[in-house]
Formats: sequence, C-alpha cells, structure tokens
Amino acid sequence: DQQVKQNSPSLSVQEGRISILNCDYTNSMFDYFLWYKKYPAEGPTFLISISSIKDKNEDGRFTVFLNKSAKHLSLHIVPSQPGDSAVYFCAASVGGGNTPLVFGKGTRLSVIA
Amino acid sequence: KAGVTQTPRYLIKTRGQQVTLSCSPISGHRSVSWYQQTPGQGLQFLFEYFSETQRNKGNFPGRFSGRQFSNSRSEMNVSTLELGDSALYLCASSSQLAIETQYFGPGTRLLVL
Repeated sequence: DQQVKQNSPSLSVQEGRISILNCDYTNSMFDYFLWYKKYPAEGPTFLISISSIKDKNEDGRFTVFLNKSAKHLSLHIVPSQPGDSAVYFCAASVGGGNTPLVFGKGTRLSVIA
Repeated sequence: KAGVTQTPRYLIKTRGQQVTLSCSPISGHRSVSWYQQTPGQGLQFLFEYFSETQRNKGNFPGRFSGRQFSNSRSEMNVSTLELGDSALYLCASSSQLAIETQYFGPGTRLLVL
C-alpha cells in the first residue's frame, strides 16, 4: 500500500520552460514533505521542504505547493535547465523531517536543450 | 563541512553470506537512518539510530540489523544474504535541531549472486 505516489514515471520539458512534478499522499498524519533530486550513482540531494502549516515554499527556481485538502503537492522548477535532468523523489513524514521518510517511486525529469 | 560518507561503495557477495556496511554522518549530526533502494520498491526505510539507540524501525526481517557508535558512526549488517537483498543502501544523517532535513550519502551498491 503506497502512501506516497508519484504517478508520472517520467517527464520531458524544454529548457527554459516550467517543470511541474506531482505527488499524492494518502496518510493524513503526514505533516512534513520534502523533495529530493537524485543523479545516477549518487545519493538523493535535498532540494526543498514544506511543513503542513504552509501551502507554499520557494527557494530560487524551486517552489513547492501543498494542497492538504487534496493530499497533493507539486514541485515547480522555473526556468528548467539541462542540469535539472535527474530523478525527483517526493517524501513525507510524521512529526518533522527527522522521522522516517516515506518516499514515492520517483519521476525522471529530462530537460531538453 | 564534509558530507555523509559510506563505505564500501560497491560490494559483491554470494547467497548465504553476511555483509556489514558503514556510514559516517555529517559532523555534529547524531541521527543516522538507513534506507534500501530497489527498482521495484523504491526507497524504503530500514531503521534509525540516535545516540546509539535504535529509535525507529521499518518493516524488514530480522536479518537486517544495525548499530551506532558513540561517535555517531553507524553500521548495518545483513545476515544470510538473499538475491533480493541486491540494492543500493543509503545512509542519511540529521542534526535533530527543530525540524531538520536528512542528508544522504552516496550509498553502497550491494550485488548478491
């Protein structure tokens, strides 16, 4: 039973355009959400997080939106760059980012020059 | 600040053997978590150690165990290896200060033949 779902295994976007990666969750107890980026042969790299008390968090080109009523979050990357090509994982936890993370299966983003 | 380090990076074992993987967290981080990444199941939480005590445990058989030392370094052990244990094993550390993010190491790629 997957508690965190990333329904798009892959996404292709033109350089300079917006990339939107989506994530749905089923556990209403989740109160902290994170996005990680992963390159081959490397560990996941933390990108951005959001607490359930917020609905938006921005960091440079990256913005995460949280819709608690829909149990949905999304990561927007604007503008997309070729170096953003990687696998993006959505993760959720109960009680903050220090507690066990439940991951989605990832979305492979390809940014085409 | 040095990141999370994991040794060895690659390992080949045969069924029935046991293996020990090592993780050194970011300096000052006292929490270490372990995750298993496989193509079919994605990233799954194994266990978390804080101040030498196992604080959280995922849904894995008892063949998977771990420990943490007084310097926060952690080891995980898998006994009686099975083919299905072939995976990327990732270690993550965090500082436990308020809501904090987990930072991942590069992982140990284990192949069981």
